[in-house]
Amino acid sequence: GDSVTQMEGPVTLSEEAFLTINCTYTATGYPSLFWYVQYPGEGLQLLLKATKADDKGSNKGFEATYRKETTSFHLEKGSVQVSDSAVYFCALINTGGGNKLTFGTGTQLKVEL
Amino acid sequence: DAGVIQSPRHEVTEMGQEVTLRCKPISGHDYLFWYRQTMMRGLELLIYFNNNVPIDDSGMPEDRFSAKMPNASFSTLKIQPSEPRDSAVYFCASSFSGGSWNQPQHFGDGTRLSIL
Repeated sequence: GDSVTQMEGPVTLSEEAFLTINCTYTATGYPSLFWYVQYPGEGLQLLLKATKADDKGSNKGFEATYRKETTSFHLEKGSVQVSDSAVYFCALINTGGGNKLTFGTGTQLKVEL
Repeated sequence: DAGVIQSPRHEVTEMGQEVTLRCKPISGHDYLFWYRQTMMRGLELLIYFNNNVPIDDSGMPEDRFSAKMPNASFSTLKIQPSEPRDSAVYFCASSFSGGSWNQPQHFGDGTRLSIL
C-alpha cells in the first residue's frame, strides 16, 4: 500500500536558519502530495500541495517540489521564524484511494531566538 | 467562510460513560473524515463518509466506537462505553471532491478527550 516517510524530529533551529524537512513516499501511479502544518492546540492546516511531477507548491515562504524520480517532496524555507514552530505532516492522495490522505508521522520543528 | 466546527473542544469523563463528539463540515463538502491523534500512534483515520454514506470504517478500533452522518451538515462519533485508552484528540475533516480525487481536506480544531 501507499506510505509516506518523514525525517524524525524534533528539528531545532535558530531564527533565520534554513529549513529542510525530508519526505519520501511509496505509491503506485501518480499521487498528489501535500504538506500540512499543526500549531499547538489546533487542527492541521494545508500548507501547500503539488499534483504532478516537477510541480512546486509554495506558501508563506515554504516550498516543496514533487520529484517523481526520487519519490520525494522535501519541505524547505529559506529563513525560519519562531512563529514557524509547529508539527509538519507530509501526505499523499492516490487515485482510487477514495480521497483518503496517507500521512507521514509528522516532524516537530522548534525555532529558537 | 466558516471552517469545520467541532464540539466540544474538551471533554473529561469517567470510564464507562458514553461520549459523543460532534462535527459540522464546511457547507458543500461531500467527504467527511474522523481521525484520532495520540503521541503513541500518531494520526489515525477512523472512518470516512461520502455524501453521508460510510465508505470505510476499517480504522474504527472496536465495536465501542460508532459514527453517523444523518445529513450533509452534521456527524457524530460515539464511544460507549468509554475507556481510559480512548483518551486522545479527535479531529473531523471535510473536503469537496468536485468530481476529482485529490482535493485537500480541511480540519477542525479537534476535541481533546480525557477518560478518567
